[in-house]
Amino acid sequence: QSVLSQPPSMSGTPGQRVTISCFGSSSNIGNDFVSWYQQVPGTTPKVLIYRNDQRPSGVPDRFSGSKSGTSASLTISGLRSEDEADYYCVTWDGGLNGWVFGGGTKVIVL
Amino acid sequence: QVQLQQSGPGLVKPSQTLSLTCAISGDIVSSKSAAWNWIRQSPSRGLEWLGRTFYRSKWGNDYAVSVRGRIVVSPDTSKNQFSLQLDSVTPEDTAIYYCARSSNTYIDSWGQGTPVTVSS
Repeated sequence: QSVLSQPPSMSGTPGQRVTISCFGSSSNIGNDFVSWYQQVPGTTPKVLIYRNDQRPSGVPDRFSGSKSGTSASLTISGLRSEDEADYYCVTWDGGLNGWVFGGGTKVIVL
Repeated sequence: QVQLQQSGPGLVKPSQTLSLTCAISGDIVSSKSAAWNWIRQSPSRGLEWLGRTFYRSKWGNDYAVSVRGRIVVSPDTSKNQFSLQLDSVTPEDTAIYYCARSSNTYIDSWGQGTPVTVSS
């Protein structure tokens, strides 16, 4: 059971907008920055969003992040076939004194 | 651009010690703005942070509750690398193990991953 809660899967057609939620608590999301990672099966996680809403260079601007209270979300605008992957939210938990992960959301492009 | 290169065996017998090393290029293990982490991933447990080492004015460690007492993450400044030792492994420790660098705000670099199987 992961500390952060995400929906196991979401789907959409090309061009659609998909928003993945991530729920935590006051000891983690409520008190620290959230980052988001994309993982294509068989590869290493790749950072898409850091500090809640910042994109590293090279990440398309159709990926955006936000945070409110003890929850965060990742939005993919204009879904593309290459976005089919697993997505994870991550933050620091001050109570556990360690990084905590969501269980991951599999995005399926129909 | 930091790069992390992992090495270590892919098969460990039950009750023995899992040992992995992560060589760092593009940064130094004694950086005062980074921490050096081990994370694993398995179908049953998902992504799970195991522990980290870091240097501020002295060396420090943090470990996950799930492996505390069995784990040591330690730096090697002479080789600019850090290592993981996980004792008394069981088949439940079978996973892909990643080393990773983190700043104060996020995990920004990952090693290539090492699949480790615990089996006799």
